[in-house]
Amino acid sequence: EPEVTQTPSHQVTQMGQEVILRCVPISNHLYFYWYRQILGQKVEFLVSFYNNEISEKSEIFDDQFSVERPDGSNFTLKIRSTKLEDSAMYFCASREGEFSEQYFGPGTRLTVT
Amino acid sequence: DAKTTQPNSMESNEEEPVHLPCNHSTISGTDYIHWYRQLPSQGPEYVIHGLTSNVNNRMASLAIAEDRKSSTLILHRATLRDAAVYYCILKGRSQGNLIFGKGTKLSVKP
Repeated sequence: EPEVTQTPSHQVTQMGQEVILRCVPISNHLYFYWYRQILGQKVEFLVSFYNNEISEKSEIFDDQFSVERPDGSNFTLKIRSTKLEDSAMYFCASREGEFSEQYFGPGTRLTVT
Repeated sequence: DAKTTQPNSMESNEEEPVHLPCNHSTISGTDYIHWYRQLPSQGPEYVIHGLTSNVNNRMASLAIAEDRKSSTLILHRATLRDAAVYYCILKGRSQGNLIFGKGTKLSVKP
């Protein structure tokens, strides 16, 4: 069964450093998402991406964040200058069509020290 | 965004049915009711969704009240693998992103 994959599974970085989290959505999916979950808290929506542009973003997704689909298969989330409060699980998700369910990846645990 | 209310936690015995309730009294006419679950240390997983009629799939059943102000996710025979946090989410037809609440943490006892 096709699945969303994410790399790395765990990323440790120092405050102020840039990180790139990578996702490979399911191949025929057209809509892509990033969510995050701080330890013990709710899953929070960050950004949605369709047709090579951001379609929606939350208040969390400020200028420190950016997304890209560089080669038609990968979908990346970049955090330019990480803060301690960026430590969280980051989940990528994709869906095939406008009314389809979302498929989530296993997540990347980001630890900012 | 329309809100949902779920119990914080529920317990079940293995191989028994589980009924997970969700209240959504402010649901709008075009909101779909989605259920996702999150197993420990994993990403959320789609379970089922519906609009007005009851729905069945291989994972679960969804019973929707006639006034649509509440719904119940039914796991027909709970297994240990069903221990997870279950989220009831309202989603507009054209809305892409999911708004997660705290969900119900289901524990399954052997």
